Amino acid sequence: GQNIDQPTEMTATEGAIVQINCTYQTSGFNGLFWYQQHAGEAPTFLSYNVLDGLEEKGRFSSFLSRSKGYSYLLLKELQMKDSASYLCAVRDERYYGQNFVFGPGTRLSVLP
Amino acid sequence: DAGVTQSPTHLIKTRGQHVTLRCSPISGHKSVSWYQQVLGQGPQFIFQYYEKEERGRGNFPDRFSARQFPNYSSELNVNALLLGDSALYLCASSSPGTTGTEAFFGQGTRLTVV
Repeated sequence: GQNIDQPTEMTATEGAIVQINCTYQTSGFNGLFWYQQHAGEAPTFLSYNVLDGLEEKGRFSSFLSRSKGYSYLLLKELQMKDSASYLCAVRDERYYGQNFVFGPGTRLSVLP
Repeated sequence: DAGVTQSPTHLIKTRGQHVTLRCSPISGHKSVSWYQQVLGQGPQFIFQYYEKEERGRGNFPDRFSARQFPNYSSELNVNALLLGDSALYLCASSSPGTTGTEAFFGQGTRLTVV
């Protein structure tokens, strides 16, 4: 079966650090992606992990542990514009190409 | 360069009607995938097309169908619309075979069934 879990909502303060966790159980695994989605807009790519460890990209970092079926997205120096939904997605190896199983998304609210 | 474009952006239909949604991928991308995103949830995979052939299908009824044209654009068709089909329909294009690359999403078509 396919199951991806994320917290539904999180709140943090401007300038702080927030960690959004994601756990997954999927029949196939070919990489874990994080997407950001502002309300009413298309998801935009943030990060990609296929091997265990930490990938850093500016204010955003993503971690993966394949043995634990666990990932997190770390956002530093939070800004108001970071208020959005953050989608954890596993690329499903059953399909040729870039098809994803998405989690429910975590709605992050950044407060002043 | 143009990104993924979808049309229309918004659509209101009545139960039982049929709808066609359109997607143009990024130039050079030969794979198009369709997702349904119900309000407050993550996107759910519907179809993938690559080189005009269906390469994957999610858990959706036969009322949903799609096709890809020689220029790699794609259409998603939904027959006998139900209220539960109301959602944001997202199209994503990608370039398979290049591992690690992400899918690029269009802005979506907001379908409301009344």
